[in-house]
Amino acid sequence: AQKVTQAQTEISVVEKEDVTLDCVYETRDTTYYLFWYKQPPSGELVFLIRRNSFDEQNEISGRYSWNFQKSTSSFNFTITASQVVDSAVYFCALSGSKRGGGADGLTFGKGTHLIIQP
Amino acid sequence: GAGVSQSPSNKVTEKGKDVELRCDPISGHTALYWYRQSLGQGLEFLIYFQGNSAPDKSGLPSDRFSAERTGGSVSTLTIQRTQQEDSAVYLCASSLEHQTSGNYEQYFGPGTRLTVT
Repeated sequence: AQKVTQAQTEISVVEKEDVTLDCVYETRDTTYYLFWYKQPPSGELVFLIRRNSFDEQNEISGRYSWNFQKSTSSFNFTITASQVVDSAVYFCALSGSKRGGGADGLTFGKGTHLIIQP
Repeated sequence: GAGVSQSPSNKVTEKGKDVELRCDPISGHTALYWYRQSLGQGLEFLIYFQGNSAPDKSGLPSDRFSAERTGGSVSTLTIQRTQQEDSAVYLCASSLEHQTSGNYEQYFGPGTRLTVT
């Protein structure tokens, strides 16, 4: 069975601080996909990034960066110089591959509520 | 519209009644997913449609839940004999069809908030 653990239920930082959201996953699939989604107060889930299990290269997108380490089954997300607009619930998710092809539903972590204080 | 749309945005129903929730995926997306989000259970996968293949119903919590997708586009999630524990936000997502190169990201709709009284 697949599992995603986001141990940090809530994080509160002051604006301009850097913050890292942790994500640890469990899967028996050799090929799998990792995702981060943002859910602002408006409620709609916003896609941030997808990472394939065979690509461990870290990625940076503006103030966002992601650190994927297969050795520790982690896919952490860092926001640099945080802003109030970053306040949201962030979800890490995992998807496997089915035999014979076909996608899989996402297994989500419980989410981390990030609060950026001005 | 450009994104996934869902209707209604809110639904209040009495325990025991049936409800239908609708999802319009992004044009060109052949994969469609239903999830539900509740305080107690977080985000849970319910069902997945891809093209003309049989749907993956592995996440449906009981036989009171069913879904169909007509014409490979619009989908309807039906909950029969609703119970209070069915109260949740029901989210629909769509993506490009799975290719051997990997799963595509799913784009979510705004959800339908279902309240069973």
